[in-house]
Amino acid sequence: EVQLVESGGGLVQPGGSLRLSCAASGLTLSNYEMSWVRQAPGKGLEWVSYISSGATTIYYADSVKGRCTISRDIATNSLYLQMNSLRAEDTAVYYCARAPSNYYGMDVWGQGTTVTVSS
Amino acid sequence: DIQLTQSPSSLSASVGDRVTITCRSSQIITSYLNWYQQKPGKAPKLLIYAASNLQSGVPSRFSGSGSGTDFTLTISSLQPEDFATYYCQQSYSFPYTFGQGTKVEIK
Repeated sequence: EVQLVESGGGLVQPGGSLRLSCAASGLTLSNYEMSWVRQAPGKGLEWVSYISSGATTIYYADSVKGRCTISRDIATNSLYLQMNSLRAEDTAVYYCARAPSNYYGMDVWGQGTTVTVSS
Repeated sequence: DIQLTQSPSSLSASVGDRVTITCRSSQIITSYLNWYQQKPGKAPKLLIYAASNLQSGVPSRFSGSGSGTDFTLTISSLQPEDFATYYCQQSYSFPYTFGQGTKVEIK
């Protein structure tokens, strides 16, 4: 079964850091484009970051650029999002999602991990 | 950045109704437009990719159309399990963007 499982969320103070993980099973991450998408409480979906299948191309939303780093580990078949200098507005459920390519949309999603930034 | 505007923001409909949701892009995105369904507390689910292609396993009552800047998601006969929020998303260029969502509620 193809599955993505996020972890690493939690409560963190403003200015703090978190590292989100997305463990893949039933698929090889290096064969797919991967994104992080977030959803603030009661709000819509916001794309956060992207890494190409070859990990040669990376993009970030302006809202997190300079504060977040996306990476991938082939050995553990996992995707990561290192989040620094966290702000209250980063509070959201964070999803990882795969796409065979930009033509096919994001067809597999994890269940999400919740990040709460509050003092 | 490419802005996607969905209409309506919400609608009330009855089981069996035909429902149409539109998504307008601020720039030409050819056919790089995807539709997702999201239920409360759940991850989004891909329904339609590349404007008009039905994702595997998605019921045929869902269909998509359009190209360029104007797109439509149609549910031909609304079922109880279709009450949810629907989002369009462009994968034409970065940053990827989503529409603000359309909440489909029971009348």
